[in-house]
Amino acid sequence: DGGITQSPKYLFRKEGQNVTLSCEQNLNHDAMYWYRQDPGQGLRLIYYSQIVNDFQKGDIAEGYSVSREKKESFPLTVTSAQKNPTAFYLCASSLARGNNQPQHFGDGTRLSIL
Amino acid sequence: DAKTTQPPSMDCAEGRAANLPCNHSTISGNEYVYWYRQIHSQGPQYIIHGLKNNETNEMASLIITEDRKSSTLILPHATLRDTAVYYCIVRVLSGNTPLVFGKGTRLSVIA
Repeated sequence: DGGITQSPKYLFRKEGQNVTLSCEQNLNHDAMYWYRQDPGQGLRLIYYSQIVNDFQKGDIAEGYSVSREKKESFPLTVTSAQKNPTAFYLCASSLARGNNQPQHFGDGTRLSIL
Repeated sequence: DAKTTQPPSMDCAEGRAANLPCNHSTISGNEYVYWYRQIHSQGPQYIIHGLKNNETNEMASLIITEDRKSSTLILPHATLRDTAVYYCIVRVLSGNTPLVFGKGTRLSVIA
């Protein structure tokens, strides 16, 4: 079945370590997104990519990095520069501009600091 | 910032219709109203969207006022599995622009 796969579901990090969250989609979608969600809050945009080898910062990009080397994959690295990384991270994808299609979301990765 | 206003929480009896309101008084002519819901610890799920006409699908109905400044999402026969946070979002019809989420409405369906 087509969809978005995020892994791992739960991730623990020691302070000072970088960690990478995986997001893969087999929907042939052009655009991919990373959002962060804190308890009781809505989602906030970290980075998004409209095409391969291109991406833009969202509202809270500091302390994060991304790459888009393949259409199907958009990994997010949480660096040691992110001072409060504990959160629920959600990846999404959508078809290209002008297409009447919604964003599809993965089931998220919950990151915690040890 | 989110361009919509929603009540923080609502209750609904199981089997009854759930009517979730949303105000979007600054909506532009080329912006659509989208609804998503998020069940606890899962990713958001698309429900429905519309421009100015009422819309219906297998999940819900969307009623948009004539002046487009507000809308209502209707779940005709709410079940316990409809308990979730519901987000109303306005955005231009462009598949690859990010969504701007507010805090949504937490709907509790009660047996």
